[in-house]
Amino acid sequence: EVQVVESGGGLVQPGRSLRLSCTASGFTFGDYAMSWFRQAPGKGLEWVAFITRKALGGTTEYAASVKGRFIVSRDDSKTIAYLQMNSLRTEDTAVYYCSRGSRVVTKYYFDYWGQGTLVTVSS
Amino acid sequence: DIQMTQSPSSLSASVGDRVTITCRASQSISSYLNWYQQKPGKAPKLLIYVASTLQSGVPSRFSGSGSGTEFTLTISGLQPEDFATYYCQQSYSTPSLTFGGGTKVEIK
Repeated sequence: EVQVVESGGGLVQPGRSLRLSCTASGFTFGDYAMSWFRQAPGKGLEWVAFITRKALGGTTEYAASVKGRFIVSRDDSKTIAYLQMNSLRTEDTAVYYCSRGSRVVTKYYFDYWGQGTLVTVSS
Repeated sequence: DIQMTQSPSSLSASVGDRVTITCRASQSISSYLNWYQQKPGKAPKLLIYVASTLQSGVPSRFSGSGSGTEFTLTISGLQPEDFATYYCQQSYSTPSLTFGGGTKVEIK
């Protein structure tokens, strides 16, 4: 059974850092892209970061709102994707979701999602 | 950035109704449009990808159509478990992905 489980959320002060983990199981992790999304309280879904599989270079991409502050990485030997969040702002408060990216030609859809982890940025 | 506009933002319907949700892209995205369902406090669930392909395990009452800039999600025979918020997402500009604002389907 495919599973994706996020962890590492919590309460953090503005300007501080936090690292989220996304532990995957039930599929060959190294064969898939992984992506992070977030949802602020009462709001819609927002894409945050994306990392391709190593065979495609492990390329990373970021939403403009987090570029330069967040870093996505992966450890295929541990089947974990990470989201390092630095210089956190109050507007980063959200539930963060990790998802597996499946490819159609060169485009992606996201077929398995974790349950989410809440990040609250507040003093 | 490609903007995605969903309509309506909410609707009320009864069990058994046929429901249609529209998603418009600010530029052509070919067929690279995905639909997700989200229930309160839960993760999004993939329903349809590349505009019309039903994800495995999703009931056949869900269907998607469209290409270019206009897309629809149709639920034929609304069931109690279908009351949720639905989001479209374009993947044409992968990995820069954008979602529509969501459509909340409520019980009439």
